[in-house]
Amino acid sequence: SQTIHQWPATLVQPVGSPLSLECTVEGTSNPNLYWYRQAAGRGLQLLFYSVGIGQISSEVPQNLSASRPQDRQFILSSKKLLLSDSGFYLCAGTPPGQAAHEQYFGPGTRLTVT
Amino acid sequence: AQSVTQLDSQVPVFEEAPVELRCNYSSSVSVYLFWYVQYPNQGLQLLLKYLSGSTLVKGINGFEAEFNKSQTSFHLRKPSVHISDTAEYFCAVTPNTGGFKTIFGAGTRLFVKA
Repeated sequence: SQTIHQWPATLVQPVGSPLSLECTVEGTSNPNLYWYRQAAGRGLQLLFYSVGIGQISSEVPQNLSASRPQDRQFILSSKKLLLSDSGFYLCAGTPPGQAAHEQYFGPGTRLTVT
Repeated sequence: AQSVTQLDSQVPVFEEAPVELRCNYSSSVSVYLFWYVQYPNQGLQLLLKYLSGSTLVKGINGFEAEFNKSQTSFHLRKPSVHISDTAEYFCAVTPNTGGFKTIFGAGTRLFVKA
């Protein structure tokens, strides 16, 4: 099974500052990887997904970007944070080519933009 | 496209009482169905999943769910809840046509009272 690692666990950043959240994967090669945002009292919003190195699909237009420089590394970034970027960010993964498989989630990063 | 509706945003219940968390979905293709649980400030964990076969699925922690194709529902049940079941529960679907995306409901917060 997969293990998803995320850091940092919490982050407080001022408006206009840059952002970099990292997600790494153990236990499988060539996973499908996902970034979700969970706003307070709301469900999960899919932000980006990736099926391989350098392959990123964006689900919603926004202030954020994602990159996959290595097979088991997925990074969420922003050049200038907005207040609305606050939330709980979750990275998840599935083994390649297995739609029937559940997603494995990391522990999340709580981002507060002040 | 798929959508998932969790009919109750919050469900308060007394300890040792039964509980049902409702989930309905909409999809033009067949889907796989999942229930996840999220404890505060943590990632999501899989409770159970329905892929095919028996429509009654048993999961961890004494939970079970029943797939009803005609009503497009996948309600989660537990005959006797514990304080430790207090958490947020998410219903999710993934199309079985080889897609990569899982669609999550908005979540139901289960609050178990002593």
